[in-house]
Formats: sequence, structure tokens, C-alpha cells
Amino acid sequence: GQNIDQPTEMTATEGAIVQINCTYQTSGFNGLFWYQQHAGEAPTFLSYNVLDGLEEKGRFSSFLSRSKGYSYLLLKELQMKDSASYLCAVMDSNYQLIWGAGTKLIIKP
Amino acid sequence: DAGITQSPRHKVTETGTPVTLRCHQTENHRYMYWYRQDPGHGLRLIHYSYGVKDTDKGEVSDGYSVSRSKTEDFLLTLESATSSQTSVYFCAISERETDTQYFGPGTRLTVL
Repeated sequence: GQNIDQPTEMTATEGAIVQINCTYQTSGFNGLFWYQQHAGEAPTFLSYNVLDGLEEKGRFSSFLSRSKGYSYLLLKELQMKDSASYLCAVMDSNYQLIWGAGTKLIIKP
Repeated sequence: DAGITQSPRHKVTETGTPVTLRCHQTENHRYMYWYRQDPGHGLRLIHYSYGVKDTDKGEVSDGYSVSRSKTEDFLLTLESATSSQTSVYFCAISERETDTQYFGPGTRLTVL
């Protein structure tokens, strides 16, 4: 079966750095996506990785290791508005997205 | 932001009644998707469309049907709603099947 694992909940302090991990086992791989979802809102796209390595976009970076079936999302200089759920999704061999259950990130002042 | 709207945004209905949710896009994207989101689960694909009148089933299609008669509209129908279909339903669009998907605001459906 196909499976995406990520921690259910994490807590971090404003101004700090947090790393959210995602491991996956899927039928094929056509890229990994990270989305942010604030409570009661739609998921919004953050990043896409298809090759191994680090992709940096402002305060957010995403890393991929295809051989290990592993990705992480790194958030720097945390702000209160970063309190949200972070969703990891892998595009499989049929070009369908397989989603993790999401990591709820709580930012404390 | 992608131009995607969903209607209604909230609906409460009774078991056994038919329900239709609408997704409307102004981006002229070829691909449209219906997902449901439930606590403790990732988003799960119900049905998707790759063009007018071209649709296919997703992971959790039982109890749902879809139609796409125009590029901009994708309808999701629950023929006879059940309590297990209480969920938040999201529509998404993409230009190509390999592209990033962009989501509508969601519809919260409660089946009593």
C-alpha cells in the first residue's frame, strides 16, 4: 500500500527554527509537494521537490532524498502566523497525489 | 490566487437526500479534482476530470458521482447522502496532471 507519515503535532517558539519531517512509500514517484493549511481554510501550495536536495524559498526550505523516501520542510524565523497544519503529498506513478494526514504546528510567543 | 469558487460553502442535510456541490474555475485549467478531508486522514481523492465529459474515479468514489459539461464547472453529487459522508469537500484544479494543484475554499457538509 501507499503511505505518507508525518508527525501529528509540533510546538515551536516564535523566532526559532522548526523542521517537519515526511517519510513516504508510494507506487512510483513524480514529485513531492508541501502545502500550508490554516484552520478552516484551503491548503495553499508552499514547495515542490522532484530532484534530491534543498529548495529554498524565503523563510521556507524543503529537502528531498528519494533513496531514503524522506523529505523535510524547514521554517526559519517563525512567526505567529506560521501556526497552521503542514501537509506533505507525493505524486505517484499514476500522477495522483497521496497525502499525509498533516502536521499541526503550534507557535508559542 | 487561482480563481476557484465552491458552492455552497456550508450545507446541512438529512440522510437519504441527494446533494450536489459545485466547483467553478476561471483559469481554464484542464484538470479538476474533488477531495474530502476528515480528521486523522490525509486528503482523499473522490473523482477527477481531465476534460469536458472526461472523468475518472479516485480512491474513495463509492457513493459519489461527478459531471463536467463545461470546462469551468465540475459537479459532485451524493445520490443519497449518508452520515459517513459528513466531511469537508475541496475542489482543486491544475493545468496539467503533473502540475501543482490549487484549491478552492471548501464546502463543509453535515449529514444528519
